[in-house]
Amino acid sequence: SQQGEEDPQALSIQEGENATMNCSYKTSINNLQWYRQNSGRGLVHLILIRSNEREKHSGRLRVTLDTSKKSSSLLITASRAADTASYFCATDESNQGGKLIFGQGTELSVKP
Amino acid sequence: NAGVTQTPKFQVLKTGQSMTLQCAQDMNHNSMYWYRQDPGMGLRLIYYSASEGTTDKGEVPNGYNVSRLNKREFSLRLESAAPSQTSVYFCASSAGQGRAFFGQGTRLTVV
Repeated sequence: SQQGEEDPQALSIQEGENATMNCSYKTSINNLQWYRQNSGRGLVHLILIRSNEREKHSGRLRVTLDTSKKSSSLLITASRAADTASYFCATDESNQGGKLIFGQGTELSVKP
Repeated sequence: NAGVTQTPKFQVLKTGQSMTLQCAQDMNHNSMYWYRQDPGMGLRLIYYSASEGTTDKGEVPNGYNVSRLNKREFSLRLESAAPSQTSVYFCASSAGQGRAFFGQGTRLTVV
């Protein structure tokens, strides 16, 4: 089974609203990463948060990490129609030589 | 700077045929990965290579083999293709404990 489990599987919001996606994982990690994929295309890296960090910001993105709960969240503020995509978390597992495991993703739809 | 290049972009195989998917990166990365993506399944790790000369199984290695030919190239081979291997395949590379860069994917259909 996959390391990361994401919640919700699908999310539909209006432009201007905030979108929150959650990711839970099972093992110790070096870092957790979030990626975006526009339908059928390659993945684009959004943000990386290391295991000793609790929160990170990048533009309209805010990521939190709780290693005690083995969970992370991605918040997209003031969403735009162009944010419509699938979002995946990925965990870089400790002591696994950089093994990068993805969750199943959250499909975000932002309606104009 | 080309990043990660995968070939071919599309391929149709008959059941039982073999083929090799090629991947090359020009970022001097140590780590390289092969994933498959099926609808609703996210990306599943097939094999990865933490450095030149090493390879390790991922989540779904059965039916595949890999070769880390040198630091730049990491190929994925299907020895006897099956319809269950119909998928989109992505290659990626990273510097290790850092962000991964992805190729544009190979759409493989096995009939």
